[in-house]
Amino acid sequence: AQRVTQPEKLLSVFKGAPVELKCNYSYSGSPELFWYVQYSRQRLQLLLRHISRESIKGFTADLNKGETSFHLKKPFAQEEDSAMYYCALRGLYNFNKFYFGSGTKLNVKP
Amino acid sequence: DGGITQSPKYLFRKEGQNVTLSCEQNLNHDAMYWYRQDPGQGLRLIYYSQIVNDFQKGDIAEGYSVSREKKESFPLTVTSAQKNPTAFYLCATGRTEKETQYFGPGTRLLVL
Repeated sequence: AQRVTQPEKLLSVFKGAPVELKCNYSYSGSPELFWYVQYSRQRLQLLLRHISRESIKGFTADLNKGETSFHLKKPFAQEEDSAMYYCALRGLYNFNKFYFGSGTKLNVKP
Repeated sequence: DGGITQSPKYLFRKEGQNVTLSCEQNLNHDAMYWYRQDPGQGLRLIYYSQIVNDFQKGDIAEGYSVSREKKESFPLTVTSAQKNPTAFYLCATGRTEKETQYFGPGTRLLVL
């Protein structure tokens, strides 16, 4: 079964501290993974995708196939990073299907 | 994603009533999706459509219906068979199979 797990519902850190939002997946192939972010009163939007190997707003995420993880990291959190973060997995047999985790709310305190 | 509009922003449903949520896009995307977002459960796929006049059930289609008569529009009807309709509903679009998704602003449905 294809599934995405985000074990933390809420993560609170102080400004300037490192942050890691966890994402684990179950998948029987080469996964395509995404991180989406939803800021307060804004739309859900793509933050980054693993195949792009990019850093967006200082965030990076590395696919670890051995641990089936795709954790989102940032070395120094900013207050404007406070938002809801969702990890998502594209379907194996149907590329049009996406599987979302339950989300982690990141709260960056001043 | 400014090209995806959902209306209304808030919708109230009475017992036994069918209600329709609108989703319109001007991005010329082929694929359109409806998700339901509940606290602590993330997004769950209700229906999706890859092309006009075609759509498939997602993981929680029971109590919902859709149509795709035009490329730009993918309305979702919440029928009286949906016993727990209170949720935030998100519409999304996608260009091709290999592209990511773009989301609308959402509609919050409440039951009176």
